[in-house]
Amino acid sequence: DGGITQSPKYLFRKEGQNVTLSCEQNLNHDAMYWYRQDPGQGLRLIYYSQIVNDFQKGDIAEGYSVSREKKESFPLTVTSAQKNPTAFYLCASSIRGGQTTGELFFGEGSRLTVL
Amino acid sequence: AQSVAQPEDQVNVAEGNPLTVKCTYSVSGNPYLFWYVQYPNRGLQFLLKYITGDNLVKGSYGFEAEFNKSQTSFHLKKPSALVSDSALYFCAVRDLSNDYKLSFGAGTTVTVRA
Repeated sequence: DGGITQSPKYLFRKEGQNVTLSCEQNLNHDAMYWYRQDPGQGLRLIYYSQIVNDFQKGDIAEGYSVSREKKESFPLTVTSAQKNPTAFYLCASSIRGGQTTGELFFGEGSRLTVL
Repeated sequence: AQSVAQPEDQVNVAEGNPLTVKCTYSVSGNPYLFWYVQYPNRGLQFLLKYITGDNLVKGSYGFEAEFNKSQTSFHLKKPSALVSDSALYFCAVRDLSNDYKLSFGAGTTVTVRA
């Protein structure tokens, strides 16, 4: 079945460590996104990518990094520079970026806890 | 800048009663509007969208939403709520003048009691 796979589902990290969250999609979508979800704040866009080898910062990119070397993959690294990294992270994709009427398809999320 | 407001943090209804989840938006151009649902510790699931045309949009699981341009609203409705509809609901808007970005509301927690 087509979909978006995020891993790991739960992750614990010590302060000062970088961690990488995986996101893989087999929907043949061009655009991929990373959102952060905190209670009562909705979803905030971290990074997005409309095509391979290209990505742009979202609203809260500080302390995060991404790469888009393959169409199917859009990993997110939470660096030690992120001040408050404990959150639920959601990866999404859409048929294409830019002017599209298409909805986003979401993965099941990764919950990161910093100890 | 575009924005979405969901004025109610929580909505509580009895099973079988109508359910309404409110959403208002602000965009500089024409809006594309979406509703998503999220169950605990899961990703978001798409319910329905308004792009153009009929103001009443029908979606998954018996949900519908009404686009009202004059009131800049896009309220989600279900005529008869089920206990299984208990979840977190998000409204989102895409503004074509800022075309890559989908802005989400803070979410409304719906609880349907048996």
